[in-house]
Amino acid sequence: DVVMTQSPLSLPVTLGQPASISCRSSQSLVYSDGNTYLSWFQQRPGHSPRRLIYKVSNRDSGVPDKFSGSGSGTDFTLKISRVEAEDVGVYYCMQGSYWPLTFGGGTKVEIK
Amino acid sequence: QVQLQESGPGLVKPSETLSLTCTVSGVSTSSYYWSWIRQPPGKGLEWIGYVHHSGGTKYNPSLKSRANISVDTSKNQVSLKLNSVTAADTALYHCARGQALDNWGQGTLVTVSS
Repeated sequence: DVVMTQSPLSLPVTLGQPASISCRSSQSLVYSDGNTYLSWFQQRPGHSPRRLIYKVSNRDSGVPDKFSGSGSGTDFTLKISRVEAEDVGVYYCMQGSYWPLTFGGGTKVEIK
Repeated sequence: QVQLQESGPGLVKPSETLSLTCTVSGVSTSSYYWSWIRQPPGKGLEWIGYVHHSGGTKYNPSLKSRANISVDTSKNQVSLKLNSVTAADTALYHCARGQALDNWGQGTLVTVSS
């Protein structure tokens, strides 16, 4: 299985400040069709996961532009430009290039 | 608006079969793939498998062939069966649309205990 490693495990952030989460895969996520199937999900406390980003950098409908995804190959990053209280929760990366689909262990974003 | 709602028994005995249903509204199950994902309490996410409306399926090998996912397009529902359950199968079970998981249900908690 492709192992997805996220860091940090916990990310205390001051309101209004930026945040950055790293995700690394154990092998390149470039699929045979040329696409890279790396997604980011947000899970607010008591809620189901919500997809924010797909194929590395594409924001889902309704996702604020303060969220951005970048990266290639095996290294990926989710950035929040200015953290607000509603951004508190756990963020997961997921690869969809290989079976089985696998998730990172999660990064907990909290307000400092 | 796509909505998914999981339902099923909240308590299952060890060695028995866990059976859950995901009722879909806002879109036909005869389109798309449909996935199940689980999350043990306080832990991360594990993809269980998916079903295509044609009936094709794919599963996580970690479940050692215990899982079965099916779709009933007449009822617009997707089902999950997991047999020979143990305490390790205690989790919040979610259904989601597609292989890219762009829409999720709220999840249903299943506890395996005698």
